[in-house]
Amino acid sequence: GAVVSQHPSWVICKSGTSVKIECRSLDFQATTMFWYRQFPKQSLMLMATSNEGSKATYEQGVEKDKFLINHASLTLSTLTVTSAHPEDSSFYICSAHRGRESDEQFFGPGTRLTVL
Amino acid sequence: GQNIDQPTEMTATEGAIVQINCTYQTSGFNGLFWYQQHAGEAPTFLSYNVLDGLEEKGRFSSFLSRSKGYSYLLLKELQMKDSASYLCAAMDSNYQLIWGAGTKLIIKP
Repeated sequence: GAVVSQHPSWVICKSGTSVKIECRSLDFQATTMFWYRQFPKQSLMLMATSNEGSKATYEQGVEKDKFLINHASLTLSTLTVTSAHPEDSSFYICSAHRGRESDEQFFGPGTRLTVL
Repeated sequence: GQNIDQPTEMTATEGAIVQINCTYQTSGFNGLFWYQQHAGEAPTFLSYNVLDGLEEKGRFSSFLSRSKGYSYLLLKELQMKDSASYLCAAMDSNYQLIWGAGTKLIIKP
């Protein structure tokens, strides 16, 4: 089956620092990857859609200069939270779309970010 | 290993009741989530169970048995808009989500 991994699983950082989260599709090529954010017991909030080789499309209200997304290859997308603040503490989840082969999205296990 | 199983697809009739089952095996357990996802949209949180029993929320109910590694989502009075994929996800001891592949629910008039 299709597997999506995220690294790191959890991270604790100081306020003002930057954190990079990786999302990888392990056994398929993902033409599109999605980044979500989830607060406890709330729905996944789509932050941005990332297409390989092009700029990410950000949802309204998501600061593109703060949440930098790079989709450098068909198996890797990265989300960098710049100048992190405590309110950025959340669960970040990525998913990958297999494109022409399927309409399915395959979700990563999530990254728990805690900003002190 | 860690694993989540749920049916790939189910069909039900408008106005009826449907139960979507989910079994899980995880390293530790910190709760089970159900999400609804319409095509092209982000998943919507439906329920979170961490204790055994039934949680009812309107037309939707979710049940958990930790000893059996089993959960189900019960949808009553089905409406056409309930046609969607339903994702089951268990959270392990590291607070990582283990996702099921989703159950595509087709509602027929």
